[in-house]
Amino acid sequence: EAGVAQSPRYKIIEKRQSVAFWCNPISGHATLYWYQQILGQGPKLLIQFQNNGVVDDSQLPKDRFSAERLKGVDSTLKIQPAKLEDSAVYLCASSPTGVLLLPGELFFGEGSRLTVL
Amino acid sequence: ILNVEQSPQSLHVQEGDSTNFTCSFPSSNFYALHWYRWETAKSPEALFVMTLNGDEKKKGRISATLNTKEGYSYLYIKGSQPEDSATYLCAQYSSASKIIFGSGTRLSIRP
Repeated sequence: EAGVAQSPRYKIIEKRQSVAFWCNPISGHATLYWYQQILGQGPKLLIQFQNNGVVDDSQLPKDRFSAERLKGVDSTLKIQPAKLEDSAVYLCASSPTGVLLLPGELFFGEGSRLTVL
Repeated sequence: ILNVEQSPQSLHVQEGDSTNFTCSFPSSNFYALHWYRWETAKSPEALFVMTLNGDEKKKGRISATLNTKEGYSYLYIKGSQPEDSATYLCAQYSSASKIIFGSGTRLSIRP
């Protein structure tokens, strides 16, 4: 079974530029998550999708971050304009369950590492 | 405790030595605790899912215990090997759909 795919793996941009990350979850997984992991901190949930609807985006900085999940499969996360503090690893995860996540059923991609200069 | 906290933040251990680290979490509204191993440039890998007070889980040289009443879990690694070098994350499920991650313990094994 193919895992969660993410691209690009690494991205370096200057502040005020824009960047987009792509995620392809495990086939059939209804729920998709984007996490931000800043060095020295734990992963923080940015947004959770159930199929193509947003379940939780309470911690997404909506003035600069946007995300969509077209047709309930792939997802993109965009940052525009980027700030220095956006330097982080952006992890995508998926789950076969619905909004009710069961322990052991969260699968991560390898992450996209963003450096903002 | 209001957040999930892990200690120490980093750890350097000689190959062959045993080590352990801690995850502390709010004991109220506990649903489950998850341990992940995250190697550089790879995806976080699930190690253990723990749900019951007193749970003990083991996978090879790695084991974990859980105390939900006092809000902590220990991860033990016996006879550390270079391949154990990674960041170990714990995550508390406070309800079936809310997960809070700790900041991780970065483990380096010296050959």
